[in-house]
Amino acid sequence: GAVVSQHPSWVICKSGTSVKIECRSLDFQATTMFWYRQFPKQSLMLMATSNEGSKATYEQGVEKDKFLINHASLTLSTLTVTSAHPEDSSFYICSALGGSGQYFGPGTRLTVT
Amino acid sequence: DAKTTQPPSMDCAEGRAANLPCNHSTISGNEYVYWYRQIHSQGPQYIIHGLKNNETNEMASLIITEDRKSSTLILPHATLRDTAVYYCIGVRRGGGSNYKLTFGKGTLLTVNP
Repeated sequence: GAVVSQHPSWVICKSGTSVKIECRSLDFQATTMFWYRQFPKQSLMLMATSNEGSKATYEQGVEKDKFLINHASLTLSTLTVTSAHPEDSSFYICSALGGSGQYFGPGTRLTVT
Repeated sequence: DAKTTQPPSMDCAEGRAANLPCNHSTISGNEYVYWYRQIHSQGPQYIIHGLKNNETNEMASLIITEDRKSSTLILPHATLRDTAVYYCIGVRRGGGSNYKLTFGKGTLLTVNP
């Protein structure tokens, strides 16, 4: 149980375009999901907390207008990287809050060219 | 949230027990000790958690000292697939904390054949 999926698993996009990443809890409902970013050889950094039916809460230094989060249902949250630039290239990981804590998706590797 | 300190790296022989230490001397009474691991280029995987008592599941055992200032994660029979970065995290549950996770640098465990 407690499976979280992400789509796509990897994406390459051109600078200036937008990319949407989906995070789904497959066998449980999650009112709260989280989005993390991980640069090479670094640890995970929390970007924002996504709450179903309400606005996301962003961590300090994360631009809410650049990283749009939508949590429209109890099993789906999306992260849209708008006007992506090469410095946005990273490993994006979501998690969903279940009974005993956070369960993580497999991650999405974004490369902006 | 409690700051945790872990050794940056450890080695273990395949088939032997791996004992990963974590210091969390500033942990508060309502903070749980959670362990996650991250295999290269994957999302973190939940391992185990505890508050005061020692815990065991199919993956590992968690030994928490009586004063709760440190803990040890034990993988009883390490395999090559256990090579990963292991994170020890203090987690506040309930009260609007949303089980927020703050990842440190963790311990890179390398299991050698």
